[in-house]
Amino acid sequence: NAGVMQNPRHLVRRRGQEARLRCSPMKGHSHVYWYRQLPEEGLKFMVYLQKENIIDESGMPKERFSAEFPKEGPSILRIQQVVRGDSAAYFCASSPTSGLFSYNEQFFGPGTRLTVL
Amino acid sequence: AQSVTQLDSHVSVSEGTPVLLRCNYSSSYSPSLFWYVQHPNKGLQLLLKYTSAATLVKGINGFEAEFKKSETSFHLTKPSAHMSDAAEYFCVVSEWDKIIFGKGTRLHILP
Repeated sequence: NAGVMQNPRHLVRRRGQEARLRCSPMKGHSHVYWYRQLPEEGLKFMVYLQKENIIDESGMPKERFSAEFPKEGPSILRIQQVVRGDSAAYFCASSPTSGLFSYNEQFFGPGTRLTVL
Repeated sequence: AQSVTQLDSHVSVSEGTPVLLRCNYSSSYSPSLFWYVQHPNKGLQLLLKYTSAATLVKGINGFEAEFKKSETSFHLTKPSAHMSDAAEYFCVVSEWDKIIFGKGTRLHILP
């Protein structure tokens, strides 16, 4: 059973371009979470999705960021008009059941490291 | 409000000696607590979790942690460090719909 897969592993963009980060959850998992890790910071929750639904986007910046998890295919985190401050590692995690964080282990992908020039 | 503080950003120990990574938390209710490990260029892997059962929790790779409510601590320990333990470790607190990661402690193992 393959783990959570993220691609690309490294992404370089110039200011103003768009960044698309992909996450394929583990087989059988229907819950996906995105986190951002800034240099010297812990991970910060961004968004929690189930298939075709955004359940909790309380950690998403209000502008330029969006996420989706379509019925078919990977989850996508999209950042429009990137700025230097978007440079970070973005991690995706998946879990098989409900998104109540307290009891459910999340399985993490290797991350996408975004560099904005 | 929830918060989690990892008291050391870097810890260095010699191979074969004990490891102690410290974590303090604050929580309004009964939290669940986790430790994750992140090896270079890899995703996070769950080491262990506390969810209101036994206060001493045993995890993978010989790690364990003790939940001490009176001290609001959840320190991670291992009796004897191995070179493969060199990584970054994250303490995590969660309550229902919130999850907070600590800033991480980088563990260095000296030969």
